[in-house]
Amino acid sequence: ETGVTQSPTHLIKTRGQQVTLRCSSQSGHNTVSWYQQALGQGPQFIFQYYREEENGRGNFPPRFSGLQFPNYSSELNVNALELDDSALYLCASSFPTVSGANVLTFGAGSRLTVL
Amino acid sequence: AQSVTQLGSHVSVSEGALVLLRCNYSSSVPPYLFWYVQYPNQGLQLLLKYTSAATLVKGINGFEAEFKKSETSFHLTKPSAHMSDAAEYFCAVRPSGGGADGLTFGKGTHLIIQP
Repeated sequence: ETGVTQSPTHLIKTRGQQVTLRCSSQSGHNTVSWYQQALGQGPQFIFQYYREEENGRGNFPPRFSGLQFPNYSSELNVNALELDDSALYLCASSFPTVSGANVLTFGAGSRLTVL
Repeated sequence: AQSVTQLGSHVSVSEGALVLLRCNYSSSVPPYLFWYVQYPNQGLQLLLKYTSAATLVKGINGFEAEFKKSETSFHLTKPSAHMSDAAEYFCAVRPSGGGADGLTFGKGTHLIIQP
């Protein structure tokens, strides 16, 4: 089975620009979540998508938005980039359980640098 | 609100020595707890998880962790360190009972193995 794949692996943008990051879920997983990992920090939850709807969100402003497609792949869009948006963006897929103890499978991430 | 504290941003042990990485959590409801490992330029890989079954949890690569409710701790141990264990380790928490909450991660502990 294939794991979680993310693209691009690295990209550089300038302040004020917009960026789209992409993620393909692991086979059989229908839930995707995104995390931001700043240098030297733990990942922070951005949001989660299930059945093409956002059903959970962390403490991130609306300029962070996403999509999930019928094949469960996903996009993360960030508008009006700020210098502090420079980070590793991690996508994780899972299959939800009633208990909530579902295990996330992470991709290798997309490293965004904002100049 | 929930939070995770990992004591020691860097831990150095000799090859063959005991590994102990500390994690304390704060949660308003009984949580699920996870340990993830991150190797350079890679995503996060699950080591083990606690989901209210046995308090002593065994994971991959010889790691284990013990849930201690009275101490609100979930420390990670390995009896004998190997050079390949050098990596960044993250403790994470999620409220039990389902829902779309993301994981809350600690800031991570960088494990250094001395030859």
